Parts: sequence; structure tokens; C-alpha cells
Amino acid sequence: NAGVTQTPKFQVLKTGQSMTLQCAQDMNHEYMSWYRQDPGMGLRLIHYSVGAGITDQGEVPNGYNVSRSTTEDFPLRLLSAAPSQTSVYFCASSPGQGIGYGYTFGSGTRLTVV
Amino acid sequence: GENVEQHPSTLSVQEGDSAVIKCTYSDSASNYFPWYKQELGKRPQLIIDIRSNVGEKKDQRIAVTLNKTAKHFSLHITETQPEDSAVYFCAASRGLPPLGNEKLTFGTGTRLTIIP
Repeated sequence: NAGVTQTPKFQVLKTGQSMTLQCAQDMNHEYMSWYRQDPGMGLRLIHYSVGAGITDQGEVPNGYNVSRSTTEDFPLRLLSAAPSQTSVYFCASSPGQGIGYGYTFGSGTRLTVV
Repeated sequence: GENVEQHPSTLSVQEGDSAVIKCTYSDSASNYFPWYKQELGKRPQLIIDIRSNVGEKKDQRIAVTLNKTAKHFSLHITETQPEDSAVYFCAASRGLPPLGNEKLTFGTGTRLTIIP
């Protein structure tokens, strides 16, 4: 098992550019989430999904889109990058309710918007 | 929504001593409380978790306690070692059907430094 795989590991964008952060898991987990991590602010939930075809907004969804067409993949799209989106992004997955609750995190994507 | 507060933000402890990190939460419906450890430049990793039907849970040198009445939970690390140096995050979620634990709310983290 590779676990949760995120690509790319590093990315520099210019203001206004768009891009997609990729996330894939091979553990057949139902739940997947995207978090951003900023100094002194912990991990904040951007979007989450409880299964293929189902997504919902988290705490800080503005400027981001997600889709979940398969159980394995949960890409995060930045529509028009802004310097405020400079952050480290983590994707995470969990087996979901009734099975086990622990979230497994990917290795992160460090994004800089200039 | 849920709000999780974590204290202290930094903690320095002599090697061999104990460390305690405390968190409070606001949503009385929360009933799942995991703790994550994040080493520098690495991903957060689950180290221990507790559910609301349990008051305390231990795993070797790590223990977590939960007081649902006061809405606070704590991480205790005994006999600290240099490899315990990291940032620790507490989190909370509702964790029961039909919603499950799809939404984890994290505290802002505690940077623990073990002094040799």
C-alpha cells in the first residue's frame, strides 16, 4: 500500500494562475479531506468527501473546488491563485464511520503564490 | 461549528520529565478526540485517540484523558525522550453515525521541545 499520495510536493504559481493538487489513496477509504496548514493556525479543513460523488465545504472553502469521481482520487483545484493561498496543503483519508476513525495524511504540497 | 483551543503553544521539558498538553472543545456533540504528532517537514501522524465512552487511554508512554462534563481533554507523555520533540495537534469530531468523523477540527498545535 502506498497510502495517501499527493503530487506535486512543491509548486510556485503566479497570482491568477490555476492548478490542481492531486491526491490518491489505495486503502479503499470512504472519507477524504483537504486541509491547509499555516503557521500558528493549525490545520484548517477546506473541503471533504464521504464517498464518490459526494463533497462538501469545510471551514475555508473559498477559492477552491473539489470533485470525487472515484473512491481513490480527490483532486483540489485552485481557480485563480492568490498570495493568501500560500500554504502547505495536506490530503487525508479515513475508513469512515463504523470501521475506524483515524485519518491518514499524505506528505503534503508546499504551494507558494507570488 | 466546533472550536478547539490548545495550550500551551510551546513547551520545553527536560528529558525524562513529563509533558502535558491540554485542549478544550465547544461542541457538546463531539465524541472522538485524536492526537497527531508532526515532526519538522513531515506529515501529521495519529499517535492516540479516545472516544467519549472512555475516560482515559494509555499506549506505553502516552496517555490521553477526557472530561466530557468540562469539555476538555489532555495528552500526557511520560519519560520524555529527544524523539518526542515535535508539534502536537489535538482534534475533535462528532464521530458517530450518521455523520461519522468526516470533519475533524484541529487545535492550533503545541511545539514540544525535549531538552537533553
